[in-house]
Amino acid sequence: NAGVTQTPKFQVLKTGQSMTLQCAQDMNHNSMYWYRQDPGMGLRLIYYSASEGTTDKGEVPNGYNVSRLNKREFSLRLESAAPSQTSVYFCASSPSPGQGFTEAFFGQGTRLTVV
Amino acid sequence: AQSVTQPDIHITVSEGASLELRCNYSYGATPYLFWYVQSPGQGLQLLLKYFSGDTLVQGIKGFEAEFKRSQSSFNLRKPSVHWSDAAEYFCAVGTGGTYKYIFGTGTRLKVLA
Repeated sequence: NAGVTQTPKFQVLKTGQSMTLQCAQDMNHNSMYWYRQDPGMGLRLIYYSASEGTTDKGEVPNGYNVSRLNKREFSLRLESAAPSQTSVYFCASSPSPGQGFTEAFFGQGTRLTVV
Repeated sequence: AQSVTQPDIHITVSEGASLELRCNYSYGATPYLFWYVQSPGQGLQLLLKYFSGDTLVQGIKGFEAEFKRSQSSFNLRKPSVHWSDAAEYFCAVGTGGTYKYIFGTGTRLKVLA
């Protein structure tokens, strides 16, 4: 059982380049999330999706777009990367809503460097 | 607005000593509370959670946490720390209405041999 799988694990981009971070979960969860982790700032929510076909902004959505492709997959796109987007990105999923509120399950992260 | 505060950025303890990591939350309704642990280069692993009922909850790896509504706190404790507990610890509150998780800034634990 793979859980939450993120690709790639590492990526270096030049300023202005675009890329898509992929996330897939095999737990039949309803909700999926994208967080970024920066030193001293904890995890900050970028976007989330409470069900297939819906997405909502989190705390730091600027510069990002997301797509909930189906129930399993939730991608994060950087259209024009900036050095301020250098971070570790985590995808997470949760059974909520529909099965009561419970914990989120996290992927292993994508370490992105924008030069 | 919901928020989580972890006042201690770094904590250093000796192996075998007791540990308490502090967490305070701000949330209008009954909170869903979590503690996660992150080892270097890894994702987040759930240690324990509190939704309702007994205010002292047990988790994995010998950790426990106590929910105190009057203090808006959910502190994590371990009676005897092992070198393998060195990691970063995150407290989080779940917002039941919108199904989001709000994280604190984390506490990095160093364990001295």
